[in-house]
Amino acid sequence: QSVLTQPPSVSGAPGQRVTISCTGSSSNIGAGYDVHWYQQFPGAAPKLVIYDSSSRPSGVPDRFSGSKSGTSASLAILGLRAEDEADYYCQSYDSSLSGSVFGGGTKVTVL
Amino acid sequence: QMQLQESGPGLVMPSQTLSLTCTVSGASISTGTYYWNWIRQPAGKGLEWIGRIYPSGSTNYKPSLKSRVTISADTSKSQVSLRLSSVTAADTAVYFCAIGLHFFDPWGQGTLVTVSS
Repeated sequence: QSVLTQPPSVSGAPGQRVTISCTGSSSNIGAGYDVHWYQQFPGAAPKLVIYDSSSRPSGVPDRFSGSKSGTSASLAILGLRAEDEADYYCQSYDSSLSGSVFGGGTKVTVL
Repeated sequence: QMQLQESGPGLVMPSQTLSLTCTVSGASISTGTYYWNWIRQPAGKGLEWIGRIYPSGSTNYKPSLKSRVTISADTSKSQVSLRLSSVTAADTAVYFCAIGLHFFDPWGQGTLVTVSS
């Protein structure tokens, strides 16, 4: 059971917008800690796509955006493309565990 | 550009100690602003943060693993090491090293460790 809760899967047609939710609690997201998002392809290491809840690293398309409110955060992918099909994980800090925590991951499928 | 590479035995016997090394190239880990992390991922499952070390030597571990984990750094070799004792089949996973305090970037490619007799 992950500390941060994500839907197991989301899907969308090419060009559509999909969002992935990440729900935490008062000891992590709700405490004001930022949320970070990673994209992972099969057999590869995760890649940072959003940091500090809404910032994009250099080289990440602006189709990817992040937001945070209360005890939850979201990753949105606009103009969905076949190459976006991957697993996505949210991550934050938890004060009760005194360490980093991940969501269980969401598989994005492009229909 | 900084690159990380994990290495170590791919097979560990149950009850033994898993030992992995993360070698850094393209940067010196003695230059003081980096936290180095170990993260693992069982096959088909999600990511689990194991712990981190700052070059000063201070460490922080996931509470449920704390009694079995040791992370250390050898700045002369630009290496960070992970030791996990008393392993069981539940410790079978791909192990990644990554740098960062609040978020992790970059990551190594990962190394598969199987616990089996």
